Amino acid sequence: DGGITQSPKYLFRKEGQNVTLSCEQNLNHDAMYWYRQDPGQGLRLIYYSQIVNDFQKGDIAEGYSVSREKKESFPLTVTSAQKNPTAFYLCCSGGANYGYTFGSGTRLTVV
Amino acid sequence: AQKITQTQPGMFVQEKEAVTLDCTYDTSDPSYGLFWYKQPSSGEMIFLIYQGSYDQQNATEGRYSLNFQKARKSANLVISASQLGDSAMYFCAMREYAGGTSYGKLTFGQGTILTVHP
Repeated sequence: DGGITQSPKYLFRKEGQNVTLSCEQNLNHDAMYWYRQDPGQGLRLIYYSQIVNDFQKGDIAEGYSVSREKKESFPLTVTSAQKNPTAFYLCCSGGANYGYTFGSGTRLTVV
Repeated sequence: AQKITQTQPGMFVQEKEAVTLDCTYDTSDPSYGLFWYKQPSSGEMIFLIYQGSYDQQNATEGRYSLNFQKARKSANLVISASQLGDSAMYFCAMREYAGGTSYGKLTFGQGTILTVHP
């Protein structure tokens, strides 16, 4: 079945550590997106990519980095520069018409 | 810049009754798409309904309908015959069109928590 796989489901980060969240899709979608969700809040766009080897900053890109070396993969790195990384992270891909598909999310906690 | 506003942080409804969740939007683009998603406590995002800016009729999907009032820039979600399983967070979102592609980024509202009482 086609879909998006995010891993891990839960991630714990120590202060000053970089961590990478994985997002893989087999839907053949060109566009992929990373959103951050804080408790009781809406989703805010971190980075997005509409084609391989190209990506753009979203509304809250500071402290994050991404790569898009393959169409299927769009990993997000939360760097030590992100001072408040505890949040729920959702990966999304977009296809034709209104076909957006979301992953099941990664809950990142700073310990 | 696009903006989505959901003014109801929380809504309560009795089981089997209808409920309307409000959404207003702001954009200068003539072409846009409006979405509603349901997010249960598990965190997954479940697509409910879509309305294109040029669609003449209001979208419907089973118990969900979208009350699209273009002049007022509102896209309210109506859930008929509420069920206990409808209790969740609901998000309104708008898609911009980027360079003629059909998959521009989504901008989300703050969400409305719906609680269905038995």
